[in-house]
Amino acid sequence: DAKTTQPPSMDCAEGRAANLPCNHSTISGNEYVYWYRQIHSQGPQYIIHGLKNNETNEMASLIITEDRKSSTLILPHATLRDTAVYYCIAVYNQGGKLIFGQGTELSVKP
Amino acid sequence: ETGVTQTPRHLVMGMTNKKSLKCEQHLGHNAMYWYKQSAKKPLELMFVYNFKEQTENNSVPSRFSPECPNSSHLFLHLHTLQPEDSALYLCASSQPRPGSWGYTFGSGTRLTVV
Repeated sequence: DAKTTQPPSMDCAEGRAANLPCNHSTISGNEYVYWYRQIHSQGPQYIIHGLKNNETNEMASLIITEDRKSSTLILPHATLRDTAVYYCIAVYNQGGKLIFGQGTELSVKP
Repeated sequence: ETGVTQTPRHLVMGMTNKKSLKCEQHLGHNAMYWYKQSAKKPLELMFVYNFKEQTENNSVPSRFSPECPNSSHLFLHLHTLQPEDSALYLCASSQPRPGSWGYTFGSGTRLTVV
């Protein structure tokens, strides 16, 4: 599974868009990019995933660069409840396992 | 409620005790996982089960003993633990092809070893 690199922490003002970057320069063609978040002392929560096309759901948007070496998770209107650690993970479709790194600690401030 | 239920939510045990953590899912998933999360550290994958068979053990000490009697239930039996084993223990489930469906996590068991 490809290694991912994320900034350790970010701040965002409430109501503004939060853009969380992730670098996965060694990703292979059949590895998906998954995003999870973990609110303090709870289990991680699935947010979104994608292979090469941009994806959007009710929680967030995922923008993957054309070369697939990086991606950005966008929370369009961050709220205080979005304060959490966000994990970007590259995982194979078959036989892959979710291996978590340090993630990005997002603080949404009033 | 995520569909993956872990009990108990909190557990305090002495180093000589024997206890078990339970995980239950009724999502129709056939793969189940145990993770450990120590304070200020990333989640560490401990064990993987596919169709009730253990397919991965990431060098976990034998004082942790997993059991998967069926695809819906997963246990972690604990005995003679050390204080450094205090952590949040998380269970997850997925289809065997997680790239398509992702993992669903439980809320975890907060374990304190005294």
